[in-house]
Amino acid sequence: KAGVTQTPRYLIKTRGQQVTLSCSPISGHRSVSWYQQTPGQGLQFLFEYFSETQRNKGNFPGRFSGRQFSNSRSEMNVSTLELGDSALYLCASSLSTSGRKNDYEQYFGPGTRLTVT
Amino acid sequence: EDQVTQSPEALRLQEGESSSLNCSYTVSGLRGLFWYRQDPGKGPEFLFTLYSAGEEKEKERLKATLTKKESFLHITAPKPEDSATYLCAVRSSGTYKYIFGTGTRLKVLA
Repeated sequence: KAGVTQTPRYLIKTRGQQVTLSCSPISGHRSVSWYQQTPGQGLQFLFEYFSETQRNKGNFPGRFSGRQFSNSRSEMNVSTLELGDSALYLCASSLSTSGRKNDYEQYFGPGTRLTVT
Repeated sequence: EDQVTQSPEALRLQEGESSSLNCSYTVSGLRGLFWYRQDPGKGPEFLFTLYSAGEEKEKERLKATLTKKESFLHITAPKPEDSATYLCAVRSSGTYKYIFGTGTRLKVLA
């Protein structure tokens, strides 16, 4: 079974620009979560989507947004990029369906390394 | 407030020298404690899920245990290839969010 894929893997943008990152979950997984990882802050939760609806949200400004499509693929968008947005952006998917214990195990993609100059 | 604290921040071991990593948590209702391994520049790799105090899981040289306030990841006779950052996360039944610790950077010397 194919794992979580993220595109692009690397991205360099300039302050003020916007960026869109893409995530394809494991087949059959309906929940997709996004995280920002930086050396100083560790893994910070951005948001979670389930069945095309945002189910949960972290403490990030409105410049960070996302969406999920009917095939569970997800995109996140960052507008008006700032230098501090430079980070590894990780996507994770889980079954998150019936409430069985293992349904909430998250599997991560390789990440997109975003550099803002 | 839900919180996860991992210790130590960094650990250097000689090959074969067993040790334990700690993950302390405060959460409004635990809906799972998860351990991950992360290699530099890669996404975290899922290792274990624990749900209730007293539960234990094993995989090769790794064994994870859970109490009501903390989890331990025991590494028995580690090898250099076990060098990585080990992350702990909890899922809260109050918020249904996943909260991650900042990780333990493990270096195993040959």
